[in-house]
Amino acid sequence: DVKVTQSSRYLVKRTGEKVFLECVQDMDHENMFWYRQDPGLGLRLIYFSYDVKMKEKGDIPEGYSVSREKKERFSLILESASTNQTSMYLCASSQQPPGLYGYTFGSGTRLTVV
Amino acid sequence: AQSVTQLGSHVSVSEGALVLLRCNYSSSVPPYLFWYVQYPNQGLQLLLKYTSAATLVKGINGFEAEFKKSETSFHLTKPSAHMSDAAEYFCAALSSNTGKLIFGQGTTLQVKP
Repeated sequence: DVKVTQSSRYLVKRTGEKVFLECVQDMDHENMFWYRQDPGLGLRLIYFSYDVKMKEKGDIPEGYSVSREKKERFSLILESASTNQTSMYLCASSQQPPGLYGYTFGSGTRLTVV
Repeated sequence: AQSVTQLGSHVSVSEGALVLLRCNYSSSVPPYLFWYVQYPNQGLQLLLKYTSAATLVKGINGFEAEFKKSETSFHLTKPSAHMSDAAEYFCAALSSNTGKLIFGQGTTLQVKP
């Protein structure tokens, strides 16, 4: 089975800190995604990547950046954490084309910014 | 723009009752459609997918969904609810424009004893 591993399940950070959320997949998937999930708003795409060193903005990229130096790893960076970035963050990966197999999700990181 | 609409943000059923979660999509081309389940404080897990083979798709945990092109629907059903089915359920469709999944807003299923 494909595994998508997010390094932390729960994280508490202070306002203004630089925060790194790590995601690793073990099945050589080309595509990787970062979503945030908030009550009543569903899943919102932050950034995605179709290949190493390649990134595209999603629907809500403001305040975030990403890094994909290796195919298996996709990092989400909060440049200066703010309280409105308190959320559940979900990483996902998929083969190309994604339609046949859908996405495989990690277990999520619940981030609290205080 | 393509969209996925889940009717009802909360659905409550009694244990043993039929589960019906509704999903409609907008698409001008035959879609790829998915249902995911999310248990509390977990990621999303694939329940089932429609990829233009059989219109009735069977998934894990006794769930199934029927693709109805005339109604642009892909409703999720289970004949008899278990307490362990309480979770949030997401319908998703592959966008033919972007090649990415478009998710519905989610439906929280509550199962009463």
